[in-house]
Amino acid sequence: EVHLVESGGGLVQPGGSLRLSCATSGFSFSSYWMSWVRQAPGKGLEWVANIREDGGETYYVDSVKGRFTISRDNANSSIYLHLKSVRADDTALYFCARAKRGYSGFDVSEYWGRGTLVAVSS
Amino acid sequence: DIVMTQSPDSLAVSLGERATINCKSSQSVLYSSNNKNYLAWYQQKPGQPPKLLIYWASARDSGVPDRFSGSGSGTNFTLTITSVQAEDVAVYYCQQYFSNQYTFGQGTKLEIK
Repeated sequence: EVHLVESGGGLVQPGGSLRLSCATSGFSFSSYWMSWVRQAPGKGLEWVANIREDGGETYYVDSVKGRFTISRDNANSSIYLHLKSVRADDTALYFCARAKRGYSGFDVSEYWGRGTLVAVSS
Repeated sequence: DIVMTQSPDSLAVSLGERATINCKSSQSVLYSSNNKNYLAWYQQKPGQPPKLLIYWASARDSGVPDRFSGSGSGTNFTLTITSVQAEDVAVYYCQQYFSNQYTFGQGTKLEIK
């Protein structure tokens, strides 16, 4: 069974940094694109970033470019999101998600974790 | 980036009636080389992560009831729920995965009248 579990969220001051993790199991991790999607309290979904199977391609929403970095560790079946220079509008529940198909290129997210909450406040 | 606009923002439907949600993209999400529309629909219930319903604009994901269907091509898409059930109360999102910056619509809240 596919499992994705996010961790690392918490309260961070504006301008600070944080690293989110997503531990996965139940599938061949190195075969799938992975994504981060966030949801501000009471708001809609916002795709944040994704990363290719081998980590060789990464893409970001414009609002986080230069501040967030997505990475992966295929040996440990995990992805990460490094947040720096955080702002109040980065406050959100951050989900990690797995592409539906392996070696698929751009694809929908079929499996999701339950999210980890990041709160940016002084 | 491709902007996704859903309509309506909310709708109330009686049990057993049809619900229709529209999604318009600011540019075509139809990839000519494979004739596939890179458009998905998700359902999100309170306190839960999103659930994939439809991909390639009209392909129902495994286990999704057949009362859910997707249609459309290019820039205009529709999610239809025939015979709405109480468990369908949720927010529904369209998403394009055509460009290297995926984008979601703002969401449509479905309630029971």
